[in-house]
Amino acid sequence: AQSVTQPDIHITVSEGASLELRCNYSYGATPYLFWYVQSPGQGLQLLLKYFSGDTLVQGIKGFEAEFKRSQSSFNLRKPSVHWSDAAEYFCAVSYSSASKIIFGSGTRLSIRP
Amino acid sequence: DSGVTQTPKHLITATGQRVTLRCSPRSGDLSVYWYQQSLDQGLQFLIQYYNGEERAKGNILERFSAQQFPDLHSELNLSSLELGDSALYFCASSPEVSHQETQYFGPGTRLLVL
Repeated sequence: AQSVTQPDIHITVSEGASLELRCNYSYGATPYLFWYVQSPGQGLQLLLKYFSGDTLVQGIKGFEAEFKRSQSSFNLRKPSVHWSDAAEYFCAVSYSSASKIIFGSGTRLSIRP
Repeated sequence: DSGVTQTPKHLITATGQRVTLRCSPRSGDLSVYWYQQSLDQGLQFLIQYYNGEERAKGNILERFSAQQFPDLHSELNLSSLELGDSALYFCASSPEVSHQETQYFGPGTRLLVL
């Protein structure tokens, strides 16, 4: 079955430190991949998405993600986190323009002052 | 602010009751999506409407139904409510029909069934 896995439920990093959130999708045809962020009490906001082309994707708020087909991964990175980055991050996948988006279970990011 | 509005923000009701959640998409967006977010099931796609017509169905229960009106706002109707229906219900919108387009999410309606 099509699925996406975020192995880390909760991550804490120090402000100014680098960040990597992991995401793995189930093997299949070329996936459409997304990262969304949900701040407390808010809806989801798209950070970035990958459909094809350059495997390193730049997003908003200084985030980037790299698609690695060989590892079925689409990890999210940020070189230096800010306290305002504390939120829940969701990786999502879709397998065709007509198919629904499947969300991972989310990774909660906390920032240590 | 995504431009998507949802009302009400909070809803408390009893088992067996029926409620209606309302969503107004961003100006110009033709697609509306409904999602349910709960602790045990995570974020799940329920249903999509495009320009008034149902386009895709996800894990939506038969007790739930939705519609999109000519002015493109949408309503999600939940009936015969059970304790397990307590969740955050999100609406999202996008300009066209493809799920791969950027979806803009509303702030959600938090439903508590007692």
